[in-house]
Amino acid sequence: EDKVVQSPLSLVVHEGDTVTLNCSYEVTNFRSLLWYKQEKKAPTFLFMLTSSGIEKKSGRLSSILDKKELFSILNITATQTGDSAVYLCAVGNSNIIQGAQKLVFGQGTRLTINP
Amino acid sequence: GAVVSQHPSRVICKSGTSVKIECRSLDFQATTMFWYRQFPKQSLMLMATSNEGSKATYEQGVEKDKFLINHASLTLSTLTVTSAHPEDSSFYICSARDHRGAQNTEAFFGQGTRLTVV
Repeated sequence: EDKVVQSPLSLVVHEGDTVTLNCSYEVTNFRSLLWYKQEKKAPTFLFMLTSSGIEKKSGRLSSILDKKELFSILNITATQTGDSAVYLCAVGNSNIIQGAQKLVFGQGTRLTINP
Repeated sequence: GAVVSQHPSRVICKSGTSVKIECRSLDFQATTMFWYRQFPKQSLMLMATSNEGSKATYEQGVEKDKFLINHASLTLSTLTVTSAHPEDSSFYICSARDHRGAQNTEAFFGQGTRLTVV
């Protein structure tokens, strides 16, 4: 059974701190790993990773994938209160239906940034 | 990026009634859409894969007669929760991918529908 595990489940830090969120996975036919930020409604896309060792960056956020060890990390530097959210990791596997991938989600990490 | 519109955003219904949720891809065609359910403080759980012009593929444990999915066109999929009960109260989200161009593209989510059955 495909599985995505995130850690920690919950994290509380002070504004300005740097945080690292973890995502490990066991899936058949891995295609991609995606990170999402979810505040009160639907998730918003952050990154999609398909190749090992290539860091993706967007402002204070960065992410990297290790396909050998089957994990990814999401880093947030100089955190701000607006970074408070649930961060979801999802893995896309192959699907024979018209090339579409199903996404298997982890439980999420609830990040709280205190002023 | 591509836009997926989901409607309604919030619905309250009486136990025993049916509720229809719509998911539209606004600027691309989606041959496949996905329906997820999310309970409070839990992650998204895939319910079913909606295929245009054919029957949906349901995940294990999801009752297909209770959660009716119709994908009649390349831009619209609907999820109908039939004979809703309080335990069906949840956050339902659809997603779709733009299959044109690159094989690997991110999934775009609708805004979600918060269903409360009273």
